[in-house]
Amino acid sequence: AQSVTQLGSHVSVSEGALVLLRCNYSSSVPPYLFWYVQYPNQGLQLLLKYTTGATLVKGINGFEAEFKKSETSFHLTKPSAHMSDAAEYFCAVSLTGNQFYFGTGTSLTVIP
Amino acid sequence: DSGVTQTPKHLITATGQRVTLRCSPRSGDLSVYWYQQSLDQGLQFLIQYYNGEERAKGNILERFSAQQFPDLHSELNLSSLELGDSALYFCASSVEGVNTEAFFGQGTRLTVV
Repeated sequence: AQSVTQLGSHVSVSEGALVLLRCNYSSSVPPYLFWYVQYPNQGLQLLLKYTTGATLVKGINGFEAEFKKSETSFHLTKPSAHMSDAAEYFCAVSLTGNQFYFGTGTSLTVIP
Repeated sequence: DSGVTQTPKHLITATGQRVTLRCSPRSGDLSVYWYQQSLDQGLQFLIQYYNGEERAKGNILERFSAQQFPDLHSELNLSSLELGDSALYFCASSVEGVNTEAFFGQGTRLTVV
């Protein structure tokens, strides 16, 4: 069975500071990995996705994530937080692309 | 705009009632997924349809059912509603194939009173 663990349900950073949101997955085979963002009262929007071969994935809005197979992690980072980054972030895993398993989400607060 | 359309956006109904949520997937997407998002349960996968056939089932209650029609739109039927069914219900769609992401609609907010 696949599962995703997001460490820290709430993360607060100062504007301009590094954003680091953690995601670990469990899978018997290399999965497909995704990060989604959800702004208030909206649906989930894809930030980035992991494709085989490239361990560092760049997404929209300056976010990127690094796939580390040895650590079964796919942490999301952004060098400098902006007020508009405040949202809920979800990590998701899929084996076949036919079923997506989501983490419990991390709420990001950006402090001015 | 993800291209996935959900109606209605808001729904308020009484306990014991039945409601139908509708989803139109992105053009060309054959897979439709339904998710329930609540404060205490997070984002829960309910069910997936692919080209009219049920593909995968998650934590869907027996009071809930879904179907996908020949035109690929999908409906989620919720019956004998309870207060605890109040949540955001999301539909997502994707193309068939590996490493394809799911595109989400804006959701239907269901309030059971």
